[in-house]
Amino acid sequence: EVQLVESGGGLVQPGGSLRLSCAASGFTFSGYSMVWVRQAPGKGLEWVAFIGRSTTAMYYADSVKGRFTISRDTVRNSLNLQMNSLKDEDTAVYYCARDEGAKGFDYWGQGTLVAVSS
Amino acid sequence: SFELTQPPSVSVSPGQTARITCSGDALPKLYTYWYQQKPGQAPVLVIYKDSERPSGIPERFSGSSSGTIVTLIISAVQAEDEADYYCQSADTTGTSFVFGTGTKVTVL
Repeated sequence: EVQLVESGGGLVQPGGSLRLSCAASGFTFSGYSMVWVRQAPGKGLEWVAFIGRSTTAMYYADSVKGRFTISRDTVRNSLNLQMNSLKDEDTAVYYCARDEGAKGFDYWGQGTLVAVSS
Repeated sequence: SFELTQPPSVSVSPGQTARITCSGDALPKLYTYWYQQKPGQAPVLVIYKDSERPSGIPERFSGSSSGTIVTLIISAVQAEDEADYYCQSADTTGTSFVFGTGTKVTVL
């Protein structure tokens, strides 16, 4: 059974940093691209970052470019998101999802809440 | 970047058909995906490649595409279909993804 479990969320002050992780199991992690998607309270879904199977391809939404870094650890089967210089508007539930290419984001975690506030 | 526009809300009676549109200038060149999200839950993929249905998704969910508009169709709507629905696509370079503005489906 495919499982994605996010962790690392919490309350952080503006300008601070946080590192999210997503533990993957039930599939060959190294064989899939992965994404982070976020959802601000009461708002819609927003794609945040993408990492390819080989890690040579990493793409970011303009809203986080230069502040967030996506990475993956194929030994620990873990997807990560390093978030620096956090802003109030980064407050959201962050989801990791498996990218099945032409078949879309087919599995999602339950999300982890990041709250940026002083 | 490009945008995908959806109606904010759609209301439908049980047993009727709900149609949710998603419009975007670049859609004729791109595949579109649809996700269902119920309150407090993660999104679930219900349609991929415009009209394909993942395993486990009921047959009453279907998709169509015509020019710059793609449509999610829910036939014989049930109370459990009440949720937010989002379309999603990627840009032509495959380096950016975008979600639609979302549609709240209310079952009367």
